Amino acid sequence: DIQMTQSPSSLSASVGDRVIITCRASQGVRNDLGWYQQTPGKAPKRLIYASSNLQGGVPSRFSGSGSGTEFTLTISSLQPEDFATYYCLQHNRNPLTFGGGTKVEIK
Amino acid sequence: QVQLQQWGAGLLKPSETLSLTCDVSYRSFRDNCWTWIRQPQGKGLEWIGEISHTGRADYNPSLKRRATISIDRSRGQFSLKVRSVTAADTGVYYCASATPNGLGCSSPDVWGQGTTVTVSS
Repeated sequence: DIQMTQSPSSLSASVGDRVIITCRASQGVRNDLGWYQQTPGKAPKRLIYASSNLQGGVPSRFSGSGSGTEFTLTISSLQPEDFATYYCLQHNRNPLTFGGGTKVEIK
Repeated sequence: QVQLQQWGAGLLKPSETLSLTCDVSYRSFRDNCWTWIRQPQGKGLEWIGEISHTGRADYNPSLKRRATISIDRSRGQFSLKVRSVTAADTGVYYCASATPNGLGCSSPDVWGQGTTVTVSS
């Protein structure tokens, strides 16, 4: 299985901060990576697909980059509704695997 | 707008079979991928398996061949069965759909609302 190591596992930030979350794959996954946001009691919502493509309807403060084994999700200016848990997902090879999650909390 | 609406039994005893169904609106079965994902309470996400647009079914080996995903095109639904459940199968189960990505599937873009399943004697 491809292991997805996500960091940090949690972070505290203030509204307006720039936030960067990293995902590292144990082997190359090309750009077959998505990013999701999950709030308590809700299903995950896809933010980014194919590493760097913004899902329709998602604010432009979210961006993704990377290829191969190193990927980042950036929130350029954190908003109150962005406090949530974020997951990466590789879909290059079955079984699909998620990162362990990053919980973004209010400082 | 594509919608997935899921349902199924929420309380099971050990050794029983988990059975969940997902109703699909506004997406073709033939040209897309159909997936189940679960999440133990307070933990991360685990891919259970999928049926791809090629008709191929694939499962996570972690379920030790207990899972089966099927499609009922006449009803516009797909289903998950997991046999011989234990407490370790407790969690929230999500159905999801993805568009094709070459011979495989992209990251799921549409998710059901989730069903909480508890396995307890």
